Amino acid sequence: GAVVSQHPSWVICKSGTSVKIECRSLDFQATTMFWYRQFPKQSLMLMATSNEGSKATYEQGVEKDKFLINHASLTLSTLTVTSAHPEDSSFYICSAREVAGVGYNEQFFGPGTRLTVL
Amino acid sequence: AQSVSQHNHHVILSEAASLELGCNYSYGGTVNLFWYVQYPGQHLQLLLKYFSGDPLVKGIKGFEAEFIKSKFSFNLRKPSVQWSDTAEYFCAERKGAGTALIFGKGTTLSVSS
Repeated sequence: GAVVSQHPSWVICKSGTSVKIECRSLDFQATTMFWYRQFPKQSLMLMATSNEGSKATYEQGVEKDKFLINHASLTLSTLTVTSAHPEDSSFYICSAREVAGVGYNEQFFGPGTRLTVL
Repeated sequence: AQSVSQHNHHVILSEAASLELGCNYSYGGTVNLFWYVQYPGQHLQLLLKYFSGDPLVKGIKGFEAEFIKSKFSFNLRKPSVQWSDTAEYFCAERKGAGTALIFGKGTTLSVSS
């Protein structure tokens, strides 16, 4: 089956620093990747839709200058949390949609990245 | 705006009990519906999905869901739960194949042995 990986799985950083999270589709090509965040005991909230080779589309209330998304290839999207603050501490999850084929109508989720900002 | 409502926040059952988790979606057009499970410390796994056709959908691990268009519902069921079903369950919808999933708030299922 289609596999999506995220790196790192867990990161702790100091307030004011930037953190980059990678999302990779390992065995398929993904024109579209989605970034979600999940607070403890809460649901996944869509942050942005990332399309390969174009600018990401952000959901209302998500600061695009704070959460920089780059989707430079069909297998990699990155989310950079700039000038992170404790309130950015969360679980960040990406999903990827296959370009074509069996997985075209599905989204495959990564294992998530837990960010803790001190 | 799209929204997904999950009625039960926390469900506690004994092993072998039957399970039904409620889910209501809001979008009135063509809708794709999903149920995902998240075991403690693990990533989301797809249990089942509905795009069209037979409204009774069979998924993995003995789960099924019924799409009732008139009620905007897509409830998840399992006739007999196991301790290993303890997890967080999320209902999700999307308008079409290219769009993101909109998740419900989730239901925590605790099964005691």
